[in-house]
Amino acid sequence: GAVVSQHPSRVICKSGTSVKIECRSLDFQATTMFWYRQFPKQSLMLMATSNEGSKATYEQGVEKDKFLINHASLTLSTLTVTSAHPEDSSFYICSARMLQGAGVSDTQYFGPGTRLTVL
Amino acid sequence: RKEVEQDPGPFNVPEGATVAFNCTYSNSASQSFFWYRQDCRKEPKLLMSVYSSGNEDGRFTAQLNRASQYISLLIRDSKLSDSATYLCVVGYTGRRALTFGSGTRLQVQP
Repeated sequence: GAVVSQHPSRVICKSGTSVKIECRSLDFQATTMFWYRQFPKQSLMLMATSNEGSKATYEQGVEKDKFLINHASLTLSTLTVTSAHPEDSSFYICSARMLQGAGVSDTQYFGPGTRLTVL
Repeated sequence: RKEVEQDPGPFNVPEGATVAFNCTYSNSASQSFFWYRQDCRKEPKLLMSVYSSGNEDGRFTAQLNRASQYISLLIRDSKLSDSATYLCVVGYTGRRALTFGSGTRLQVQP
């Protein structure tokens, strides 16, 4: 089956530092990856859509200068949380889309998530 | 109004019980439908896709009613290992990301 990895799985950092999270599709190519954020007892909220070789598309309310996304290859997307603050503490999850065919519903496979705690 | 709405639960049921979850979506242009399962502090995992004709996978049966914009998941013979949060997920035409419901929590008790 399709496997998506995320690194690190957990990070604790001081306020003001930057944190980079990597998302890799291990056994398939992903032209599109998605970054979600989930606060406790809430649903996943889409932050941005990452397209290989082009700029990411951010959802309304998500600061593109704070959450830097780079999709450098067909198997790797990175999310950098710049100048992290305690309110950025959350569970960050990436997913990669596996296209199953034109006009057919596509499936997304999720990475295991990164739990960020900003002190 | 949320794009995808679910009863948050929790649903507390005994082992062996049958339990049903419902979900409604607001965008009639929705194109793809899924149920995901999320365990505590873990990522969502695809449980099953949902098709208009209805589909079954072992103890799990999913139904879609496009006219009512309603999706359901039925779990028969509940196991302790079924305890999790079940997420109703919808994909929209022209938007390749998925939209998640807030999830319904199931606790199966011995």
